[in-house]
Amino acid sequence: DQQVKQNSPSLSVQEGRISILNCDYTNSMFDYFLWYKKYPAEGPTFLISISSIKDKNEDGRFTVFLNKSAKHLSLHIVPSQPGDSAVYFCAAKGGSNYKLTFGKGTLLTVNP
Amino acid sequence: GAVVSQHPSWVICKSGTSVKIECRSLDFQATTMFWYRQFPKQSLMLMATSNEGSKATYEQGVEKDKFLINHASLTLSTLTVTSAHPEDSSFYICSVRPTDTQYFGPGTRLTVL
Repeated sequence: DQQVKQNSPSLSVQEGRISILNCDYTNSMFDYFLWYKKYPAEGPTFLISISSIKDKNEDGRFTVFLNKSAKHLSLHIVPSQPGDSAVYFCAAKGGSNYKLTFGKGTLLTVNP
Repeated sequence: GAVVSQHPSWVICKSGTSVKIECRSLDFQATTMFWYRQFPKQSLMLMATSNEGSKATYEQGVEKDKFLINHASLTLSTLTVTSAHPEDSSFYICSVRPTDTQYFGPGTRLTVL
């Protein structure tokens, strides 16, 4: 049973436009969510996180939105740059449980 | 954040041999480190939690006798894949957790022939 789902395996966007990556979760105990960026043959790099007490967190070009009632979060990248091309993983954890549950990832391609 | 290194970055070995992967926390004293595995086009799956000075905690379905973990200091955890087989070929990644956020190492690509 997949508790964190990224239903789009890939997304292609033009440079300068907005990239929107989506993530759904099923476990209502999750209260902290993270986005990681990963290049092939490298470890994931932390991008941005959000606690369930918030509905938005922004850091530069990256904004994460959380809709708790829909159990949905999204990562917005504006403006998108070719260097943003990578696989993006959504992850979640709940309470004092340190364990991260990852989605399967979305491959973002930003075309020049 | 936290800076994590892994060694080696890639390794090729023959079936039946053992391989040791090191994970170092360079700027944070980690009482706990995490070992993940990622198969091609799949998600990252937690294998085990490495605890400094005590036994590791393994996730369901992970053979503790096959994946030996040692966490002898606050900056070093090692994962030894014993009697490796081709199905153990994967990308192994460790992480540390200074806050609610986990920071990952660069990963080790293991190929078992």
